Amino acid sequence: GQSLEQPSEVTAVEGAIVQINCTYQTSGFYGLSWYQQHDGGAPTFLSYNALDGLEETGRFSSFLSRSDSYGYLLLQELQMKDSASYFCAVYDFNKFYFGSGTKLNVKP
Amino acid sequence: EAGVTQFPSHSVIEKGQTVTLRCDPISGHDNLYWYRRVMGKEIKFLLHFVKESKQDESGMPNNRFLAERTGGTYSTLKVQPAELEDSGVYFCASSQEQGRIQETQYFGPGTRLLVL
Repeated sequence: GQSLEQPSEVTAVEGAIVQINCTYQTSGFYGLSWYQQHDGGAPTFLSYNALDGLEETGRFSSFLSRSDSYGYLLLQELQMKDSASYFCAVYDFNKFYFGSGTKLNVKP
Repeated sequence: EAGVTQFPSHSVIEKGQTVTLRCDPISGHDNLYWYRRVMGKEIKFLLHFVKESKQDESGMPNNRFLAERTGGTYSTLKVQPAELEDSGVYFCASSQEQGRIQETQYFGPGTRLLVL
């Protein structure tokens, strides 16, 4: 079966750096995506990694190691508005498999 | 450009009743997906339309769920009769092209369904 594991909750302070890990076991793999969801809102696309390494987009970076079936989302210079749930998702060329989400609480 | 919209935003029904959820994808997006998130769990794939055709419905829980996309535009997801375990948030997402190396899906805000 398909499974993605990520921590259920993470707390950090404003201005800090936080890393949200994701490990996966899927029968097919083309890439790892990250989505952000604020309470009551739509999940919104953050990043996509198809190859090993680090992808940087502003304050957010995403990393993938295909050999380890592992990736992470790195959020720098945390802001209060970053408080949200973050989902990793594996794309197997047919559909996405999502993790259970990590709730990030940013405190002043 | 309007995003993916879903209606209703919330629905509270009794066990045994019927509910129909609607999704309007981004204009021009051939691919439409339905997902469900039960409290605290993963966002789970239900099915995928390409235009009006069902490409993959392997995630549909059982035959109480019926999805349609007549004309290849908006889609409906009907639950009949609803059971308690059907409660959750139903998301719709759309994308332009499936099968590209990077496929970005655009999600709607979801319909929160509570079956009492």
